[in-house]
Amino acid sequence: DGGITQSPKYLFRKEGQNVTLSCEQNLNHDAMYWYRQDPGQGLRLIYYSQIVNDFQKGDIAEGYSVSREKKESFPLTVTSAQKNPTAFYLCACGDSTGAGKPQHFGDGTRLSIL
Amino acid sequence: RKEVEQDPGPFNVPEGATVAFNCTYSNSASQSFFWYRQDCRKEPKLLMSVYSSGNEDGRFTAQLNRASQYISLLIRDSKLSDSATYLCVVISGGYQKVTFGIGTKLQVIP
Repeated sequence: DGGITQSPKYLFRKEGQNVTLSCEQNLNHDAMYWYRQDPGQGLRLIYYSQIVNDFQKGDIAEGYSVSREKKESFPLTVTSAQKNPTAFYLCACGDSTGAGKPQHFGDGTRLSIL
Repeated sequence: RKEVEQDPGPFNVPEGATVAFNCTYSNSASQSFFWYRQDCRKEPKLLMSVYSSGNEDGRFTAQLNRASQYISLLIRDSKLSDSATYLCVVISGGYQKVTFGIGTKLQVIP
């Protein structure tokens, strides 16, 4: 079955530590996205990538980094520069060929500070 | 002005009622529009696409008004299982930036 998988489901970060969230998809979609969801604020776009080896900053990219070395994978690193990382992180993918293509979401990763 | 705006609610409605949500967007060149449903502590799931001609799926009807730059979602004969947060999504730009609204919370009451 095709799908999009995020891991881990729960993650704890120590002060000053970088952590990486995994996102893998086998839907052969070009576009991949990372969102952060906080209570009362909806989903906010961190980074997105329309093609391998290319990615764009979203609305809240500071303190995060990404890579897109393979079509299937779009890992997100939460760096120590992100001072308030506790949130629900959602990865999504979609077909970028033309407008009107919906996205599929992973189950999410809940990140907390120790 | 936010790119996409929604009333966060909550909308508390009795079973069987009809309820409608609106979502306004600021970029007149936006290309595609969707409604997603998100249950508590779960990922969003696509509910339906939105077209100018309207889109109906059972009890759900979505509509796009380009002139006034808003999309709407109408739910008829509300069920308890409709209780969730409904997110509007707008796609725009050459890089097809996806912007979510804050979501409107619906609570259907027995």
